[in-house]
Amino acid sequence: EDQVTQSPEALRLQEGESSSLNCSYTVSGLRGLFWYRQDPGKGPEFLFTLYSAGEEKEKERLKATLTKKESFLHITAPKPEDSATYLCAVQAWSGSRLTFGEGTQLTVNP
Amino acid sequence: GAGVSQSPSNKVTEKGKDVELRCDPISGHTALYWYRQSLGQGLEFLIYFQGNSAPDKSGLPSDRFSAERTGGSVSTLTIQRTQQEDSAVYLCASSLDWREQFFGPGTRLTVL
Repeated sequence: EDQVTQSPEALRLQEGESSSLNCSYTVSGLRGLFWYRQDPGKGPEFLFTLYSAGEEKEKERLKATLTKKESFLHITAPKPEDSATYLCAVQAWSGSRLTFGEGTQLTVNP
Repeated sequence: GAGVSQSPSNKVTEKGKDVELRCDPISGHTALYWYRQSLGQGLEFLIYFQGNSAPDKSGLPSDRFSAERTGGSVSTLTIQRTQQEDSAVYLCASSLDWREQFFGPGTRLTVL
């Protein structure tokens, strides 16, 4: 059974204070690892897909990396508008469903 | 272009009643997914459509849950004889291929 564990559950940062979110996974043949951002009362918003170990992708202040067991979402010099819940999900080659972790709730204080 | 839309945005119902939740995917997207997000839990897969057929419905929690898709477009998720544990946000997503699923805003279901 595919499993995704995210840590920490919640993270509070000061504006400009860089940090990383962790996503550990087990999957029977990784097809892709996905990062989403979710704001309160809204659906998840796609950020990145990573396909193989060693891959990195960047978008503004966010950089996602992937190893064979985990993924990190690095946030550089965050701003208050980066406050959201960040979700990690995996998709196996055997199916189309996404298996999600429970998310990390990020708060960036001004 | 328009994103995934869902209706209603909120639904309050009484225990034992049936409810229907609607999803309009992005035009041209052949794949459609339903997920459920309960308080304090991650998103839970319910069912996947490719066109009008559902090759994976293994996430439906009981036979009270059913879904259909018509014309390769709109999908309806039906919950019969609702229970309090059905209270959650029901999210729909669509995709053109497996690389990216686009989510709608969700329907918040409250069963009293």
